[in-house]
Formats: sequence, structure tokens, C-alpha cells
Amino acid sequence: DVVMTQSPLSLPVTLGQPASISCRSSQSLVHSDGDTYLNWFHQRPGQSPRRLIYRVSKRSSGVPDRFSGSGSVTDFTLKISRLEAEDVGVYYCMQGTHRPPVFGGGTRVEI
Amino acid sequence: EVQVVESGGGLVQPGGSLRLTCVASGFSFSVFEINWVRQTPEKGLEWVAYINGGGNTIYYADSVKGRFTISRDNAKNSLYLQMNSLRVEDTAIYYCAPGGLKYFDYWGQGTPVTVSS
Repeated sequence: DVVMTQSPLSLPVTLGQPASISCRSSQSLVHSDGDTYLNWFHQRPGQSPRRLIYRVSKRSSGVPDRFSGSGSVTDFTLKISRLEAEDVGVYYCMQGTHRPPVFGGGTRVEI
Repeated sequence: EVQVVESGGGLVQPGGSLRLTCVASGFSFSVFEINWVRQTPEKGLEWVAYINGGGNTIYYADSVKGRFTISRDNAKNSLYLQMNSLRVEDTAIYYCAPGGLKYFDYWGQGTPVTVSS
């Protein structure tokens, strides 16, 4: 199976400041159809995960534009341009290119 | 508005069985691929099973193959997970996640399963 490695494990951030989370895969996430199926999810305390980003950089419906995704092949990044209080929680990357889908271990963002 | 609601979790002894149900609305259920995903503090998020819209393509994680069965009833907008021969390590919150293996568009609130004697 593909291994997804996130860093850092924990990220203290000041409100209004930027945050960046890294995700690396153990093999290329470029699918045979040419797309790269790398998603980002956010899970607030006590809630279920919510998808923020799909196919590396496409924001899901209703996701603020302060969230952006980038990267290619095996190295990916989620950036929050200005942290707001509602952004605390755990962020997960997930690859859907290869079966089985695999999630990263998570990065906890805290104020 | 998309709604995904899981139910059926609970406490069961090792070797026992449970049937989870997911009822969804707000999208074309019969054409949507759907996953079951589970979460524990120790192992994080783990994909469990997948079924396509017609119910004729199914995949399982190796950890549950032969013990869990995913199925759906499109007339009832419902997805099921029959869990047999449960083990302590199956203890988790189980989520229904429509959107296929690549996307996981939506998530329910989850239903907790505890396997313990």
C-alpha cells in the first residue's frame, strides 16, 4: 500500500498568520488517466472529517479561498493564508490514485 | 442539502456481529459510489470498504475481507455494512463516505462500534 507521511505532527499558529502542512507519498500519485487524486480533509474536535481540497488544488464547495493546495507526483502542500479560529483541528491528506485509498496520520493545528 | 446518517453501532463481544446502516439524501444516491471508513485514535483514518452505484463492484480492506460485507438498497437510499467475527481491533467510529475511492465527497457523523468482553 501507498504510505502517506504528513509533517509536522503539530502546528501552533497565531490567528491571522499563515500555516503550511506537508504531505509526502511513498509512490507517485499520478493516475494512468493523467490526474492526481490527492485530497485534503479537516476534522474539527468532535466532528467528522470534511473535504477541503480534491485533485491536489481544487477547493470543495463552500471552502474559503484562504485554503489552497499544491504539489505534484509525491510532494504536496496545504496552505492556510490567514488562520482563523474555526480552522483549528486535525488536517489529513489522502491518496485516491491507488487502491486501497490511504490517509496520512494527520497534522494538528492549534492556536 | 446533503445528509448522511449512520446508525447501528454499539457494544458487542469478540466474535459477535453488528449491522451498520447509512441513509443518505440530497444527491443522486443510486449513481454514487460509497465507502465505509473507520477511525481510531491509534490508527487514524482507515478505509474499510467500497461499493459502486449498482452494487456490482465491491472492494474491501485486507483487514476486514471475509468478515465484513458491504451492500446497498438504492430504493431506500441506504448503505449497509454487515460485520461478522468482530475483533477487539475493529473498535472504531465508522463513517459512511459517499464519493468513491478517489474523492470521499461527503461524510456522516459516524457511529461508534466497541468490541469488548
